[in-house]
Amino acid sequence: AQKITQTQPGMFVQEKEAVTLDCTYDTSDPSYGLFWYKQPSSGEMIFLIYQGSYDQQNATEGRYSLNFQKARKSANLVISASQLGDSAMYFCAMREGWNTGGFKTIFGAGTRLFVKA
Amino acid sequence: NAGVTQTPKFQVLKTGQSMTLQCAQDMNHNSMYWYRQDPGMGLRLIYYSASEGTTDKGEVPNGYNVSRLNKREFSLRLESAAPSQTSVYFCASSLDRRETQYFGPGTRLLVL
Repeated sequence: AQKITQTQPGMFVQEKEAVTLDCTYDTSDPSYGLFWYKQPSSGEMIFLIYQGSYDQQNATEGRYSLNFQKARKSANLVISASQLGDSAMYFCAMREGWNTGGFKTIFGAGTRLFVKA
Repeated sequence: NAGVTQTPKFQVLKTGQSMTLQCAQDMNHNSMYWYRQDPGMGLRLIYYSASEGTTDKGEVPNGYNVSRLNKREFSLRLESAAPSQTSVYFCASSLDRRETQYFGPGTRLLVL
């Protein structure tokens, strides 16, 4: 079974509009961390945002916010006011066993975002 | 600070050749990781090192070996390269096992 599911292989958004990239996860561990990474065409992996399973509030980092719905096991990334430079591949990832020293970080297959001028 | 650096950036090997991918971090992180990324897939963990002196297998360790040379450096060795090992290899590090991982620029490996 897929641990991390990103159902949108590709997404288009108009510049300056907001976009939501979907991510659902599957775990029976009560403690886990959720991450989003950006991979531009140059290939590097850039950390964007993190959400802990016990965090009460949704994480935000500048134009990025994480819409965390624990009961639905979803951790969608919201990018506000899209910019041309946001065009990239976006990966959702989960690390289980947060409090027990788990090292298994599972990545989704990614969503490619295209920002149109 | 350079962050996480990897060498080489690109390498072509023939089947059966060996090589070592180098990774170094200057962030005083305790934990380091090696991933591979194949087309259409996310990253898969090959090996990791929780702290200096320890290494453990990840999801896809077959065909690879690692060495945590010191706190800064974590190398990945392919003893006998196979075409199935054609991939992009990323090294990452984190302050400890719970913290965010930061990635190097990647090494593109082509095995003919």
